[in-house]
Amino acid sequence: AQKITQTQPGMFVQEKEAVTLDCTYDTSDPSYGLFWYKQPSSGEMIFLIYQGSYDQQNATEGRYSLNFQKARKSANLVISASQLGDSAMYFCAMREGLGGGTASKLTFGTGTRLQVTL
Amino acid sequence: DAGVTQSPTHLIKTRGQQVTLRCSPKSGHDTVSWYQQALGQGPQFIFQYYEEEERQRGNFPDRFSGHQFPNYSSELNVNALLLGDSALYLCASSSGPYGEQFFGPGTRLTVL
Repeated sequence: AQKITQTQPGMFVQEKEAVTLDCTYDTSDPSYGLFWYKQPSSGEMIFLIYQGSYDQQNATEGRYSLNFQKARKSANLVISASQLGDSAMYFCAMREGLGGGTASKLTFGTGTRLQVTL
Repeated sequence: DAGVTQSPTHLIKTRGQQVTLRCSPKSGHDTVSWYQQALGQGPQFIFQYYEEEERQRGNFPDRFSGHQFPNYSSELNVNALLLGDSALYLCASSSGPYGEQFFGPGTRLTVL
């Protein structure tokens, strides 16, 4: 079963507007971490934001925030005040467990391509 | 402070050949993970090396093997290349197996 689901293959947003990229996940482990990465055309995966399953508040990093809804198993990325440089692929990823066993690998979704327009 | 580096940047091989990809971790990191990213897909975990040993492996055949050196750098070897091995191969380093993973720019492998 797919553990990370990103249902939006592509999204368009106008410059300076906010955009939400969807991510749902599936795990039976009560301890997990959720990540968002940006991948420009150069290929490098750039870490954006992290949310732990026990974190009480939604994570924020500058213009990025993570809308974490644990009961719905969703971890949507919100980018505020979009910039042309935000155009890239965005991947949601999960790491199960906080230590030991299979805790260290990241499981990625299929990504969402974001295009920021003028 | 150098980040994660990978070499070569691009590589073209033919079916049946063998290939070696290299990764140098970020300064201070001792753990290297390898991922395969096929076109249009998210990265898939291949394996992770820590203390010069493979500590975790994804669902990849034995044709994929690796090594970690005492200086923490790592190699990914793929034998008997198939057309389906064409992908971007990403290396990520971390401080310990559970640390935040920092990715390199990747090696794009094309198998003809």
